[in-house]
Amino acid sequence: RKEVEQDPGPFNVPEGATVAFNCTYSNSASQSFFWYRQDCRKEPKLLMSVYSSGNEDGRFTAQLNRASQYISLLIRDSKLSDSATYLCVVQAAGNKLTFGGGTRVLVKP
Amino acid sequence: EPEVTQTPSHQVTQMGQEVILRCVPISNHLYFYWYRQILGQKVEFLVSFYNNEISEKSEIFDDQFSVERPDGSNFTLKIRSTKLEDSAMYFCASSESTGANYGYTFGSGTRLTVV
Repeated sequence: RKEVEQDPGPFNVPEGATVAFNCTYSNSASQSFFWYRQDCRKEPKLLMSVYSSGNEDGRFTAQLNRASQYISLLIRDSKLSDSATYLCVVQAAGNKLTFGGGTRVLVKP
Repeated sequence: EPEVTQTPSHQVTQMGQEVILRCVPISNHLYFYWYRQILGQKVEFLVSFYNNEISEKSEIFDDQFSVERPDGSNFTLKIRSTKLEDSAMYFCASSESTGANYGYTFGSGTRLTVV
């Protein structure tokens, strides 16, 4: 089983619509969770940390389910600029980040 | 906004040559990292560095690789005797601390092409 698994997509989303996708992780000792965004051939950029109680940042909502070992990201009112690859990232003890393969989102007019 | 700076942005080298990739982390950050991303694949951890020593390294980070913080600002990755399969984007990152409250900041990367 992959350490961090994501549906690669692409998710084709009409502008203004809502899109949601999940990621699963295998290491039950994982402690910190993040969503990063990566544009084509660019560096990953932190979108948001994911907390146990769930958290929201503008149009983005992240949820963590430790029992089922999955993380979700929901994007409301999608913008064309939201088109990117969304990387699920997990950190166990220590400093190492483990990345999923990414979920590609394409927002279309 | 503070940023992590990497040079060069693109490096082409012949197989068997040594390369040094350079990074200037954010000045008040204490943790430094190298990751790589082979084209079309996921981002992979190479090494973390704290308090002037390696704190963790992956299986990829074998004797061919080394890191150094030669002065108070630079953080370098050296690859000795490069192989074709070393071709990838190499990202440097830094963080103030670790945990959910401390996201990592990545540099814009060095694209290494081994020919």
